Amino acid sequence: AQKVTQAQTEISVVEKEDVTLDCVYETRDTTYYLFWYKQPPSGELVFLIRRNSFDEQNEISGRYSWNFQKSTSSFNFTITASQVVDSAVYFCALTLSHGSSNTGKLIFGQGTTLQVKP
Amino acid sequence: DTGVSQDPRHKITKRGQNVTFRCDPISEHNRLYWYRQTLGQGPEFLTYFQNEAQLEKSRLLSDRFSAERPKGSFSTLEIQRTEQGDSAMYLCASSTPTGHPNTEAFFGQGTRLTVV
Repeated sequence: AQKVTQAQTEISVVEKEDVTLDCVYETRDTTYYLFWYKQPPSGELVFLIRRNSFDEQNEISGRYSWNFQKSTSSFNFTITASQVVDSAVYFCALTLSHGSSNTGKLIFGQGTTLQVKP
Repeated sequence: DTGVSQDPRHKITKRGQNVTFRCDPISEHNRLYWYRQTLGQGPEFLTYFQNEAQLEKSRLLSDRFSAERPKGSFSTLEIQRTEQGDSAMYLCASSTPTGHPNTEAFFGQGTRLTVV
């Protein structure tokens, strides 16, 4: 079975601080995708990134960066110089990507609520 | 078409009543998903359609729940004889233009159901 764990329930930082959101996943499959989504108060899940299990290269997009380490089954997300607008719930998710499991069904973690104070 | 649309955004119903939600996916997406999200939790998969075929249903989807996607476009999720435990946000997502597996899922803003 697949599982995603986000151990941090809530994080509070002051604007301009860097913050890292942790994500640990479990799967026996070798081919899968990992995702991060942002859920602002409006409720809509906003896609941030997708990472293939064969691509461990870290990625940076503006103030966002992602560290994928298969050895520790982790896919952590760092926001540099956080801003108040970053306040939201962030979800890490996993989907399998081969054969009959290739449905695109997402398995989500419980989410981390990030509060960025001015 | 600017995204996934869900209707209504909010629904308050009395216990025992039936409710129906609608989802309009991004037009070229052939995959459609329903998820349920309760307070403080991540979304949980309910069911999945590829075109008009319902290919997977979660054990969370009891007999009181039924979903359809009759023409492979919009989808409806019906809950019969609602219970207080059905109170949640119901999220719809669509993905994958035909021939492009595993693109990211795009989510609607959800329907928040409150059963009183």
